[in-house]
Amino acid sequence: EIVLTQSPGTLSLSPGERATLSCRASQSVSSSYLAWYQQKPGQAPRLLIYGASSRATGIPDRFSGSGSGTDFTLTISRLEPEDFAVYYCQQYGSSPLFGPGTKVDIK
Amino acid sequence: QLQLQESGPGLVKPSETLSLTCTVSGGSISSSSYYWGWIRQPPGKGLEWIGSIYYSGSTYYNPSLKSRVTISVDTSKNQFSLKLSSVTAADTAVYYCVRELLGYYFDYWGQGTLVTVSS
Repeated sequence: EIVLTQSPGTLSLSPGERATLSCRASQSVSSSYLAWYQQKPGQAPRLLIYGASSRATGIPDRFSGSGSGTDFTLTISRLEPEDFAVYYCQQYGSSPLFGPGTKVDIK
Repeated sequence: QLQLQESGPGLVKPSETLSLTCTVSGGSISSSSYYWGWIRQPPGKGLEWIGSIYYSGSTYYNPSLKSRVTISVDTSKNQFSLKLSSVTAADTAVYYCVRELLGYYFDYWGQGTLVTVSS
């Protein structure tokens, strides 16, 4: 059974800074089956990235995804005030599985 | 624009069955390529996929919940439903209905509904 680990647990940054979030799988995952979501308080998650690096419809280009095998990264090039949220990675092995999340908060 | 809306009781007693319905609007639940699923999130915690269904009735479930979960679909009403039996306090969560591109991702989410298990 695949286990997803996200790091760091919390990332404290200022608006305008670059955020780098990590998602690591215990076994190799096909890049096609790796997605990222953003969740703000009191809201449903929103799909940001699918296929490890493809942006979902309407997602700004400051969000980018990369990686392969067991190591994947979500990068936010310049944090906007609305980007402070929790981010989850999700893989699709035999069934969907989410990572524990990384909280990006304001420093 | 596709919209999903959960409905059902917000309070369920321990050992009883949790029942929720998701109504899909702005699109057909009979669309090919898409499954329709349920994901839950206990207060302050992460996301857990529960299970998904195709419009034909084909289902697949989270192995950890499979013995207690039933998901069904009503294409005439453009709805799908979740039943979770023998609930305990650990099943208290916000329950989201979602559209799933099978094998890939969840691209549309309902707003979520909080279900509390308590006597």
